Amino acid sequence: NAGVTQTPKFQVLKTGQSMTLQCAQDMNHEYMSWYRQDPGMGLRLIHYSVGAGITDQGEVPNGYNVSRSTTEDFPLRLLSAAPSQTSVYFCASSYDRGQPQHFGDGTRLSIL
Amino acid sequence: SQQGEEDPQALSIQEGENATMNCSYKTSINNLQWYRQNSGRGLVHLILIRSNEREKHSGRLRVTLDTSKKSSSLLITASRAADTASYFCATVMDSNYQLIWGAGTKLIIKP
Repeated sequence: NAGVTQTPKFQVLKTGQSMTLQCAQDMNHEYMSWYRQDPGMGLRLIHYSVGAGITDQGEVPNGYNVSRSTTEDFPLRLLSAAPSQTSVYFCASSYDRGQPQHFGDGTRLSIL
Repeated sequence: SQQGEEDPQALSIQEGENATMNCSYKTSINNLQWYRQNSGRGLVHLILIRSNEREKHSGRLRVTLDTSKKSSSLLITASRAADTASYFCATVMDSNYQLIWGAGTKLIIKP
């Protein structure tokens, strides 16, 4: 049982480049979410999904897109990377909103 | 917007001692959750306490919730070196079931 799998674990980008952070879960969870974690701050919600085909914005959605074509996968796309997007990104899933979250091990992203 | 605030920001104690962390929040909640994060890893759920509960136990963990004071505490008894981690509280808002995270308490257990 893999849980939540995020790839890649590390990535360095140049300003203006785009990329997709992958997230997959094998627990048949309906709710999935993306967070960013910055030093000294709590997790901030970027986007979330309550099921396949349904996505919504969180607290800090600007510069990011998501899609949810299957229950298992919830990729996060950076449209045009900016240094302010340097952060650690976590994907999480749960069987319903407000329930305990299962986290991946994160993607550490640096934008130069 | 940050609803949960942990206190202290950092805590260093000797192995075997008890560790207490606190979380305060601002609005009505459905439940409150505590998570642990080891260095370089994702968060791991520890315990959930509902708004109508006052205390909950799980192994060496004890969580209390005081809705009148809008605060919660996490007590780790008989601490071990393996408890060294950051601990986060997340409040689930009654209005939309969104999780709002605190900035965490960094706990160091000295052998």
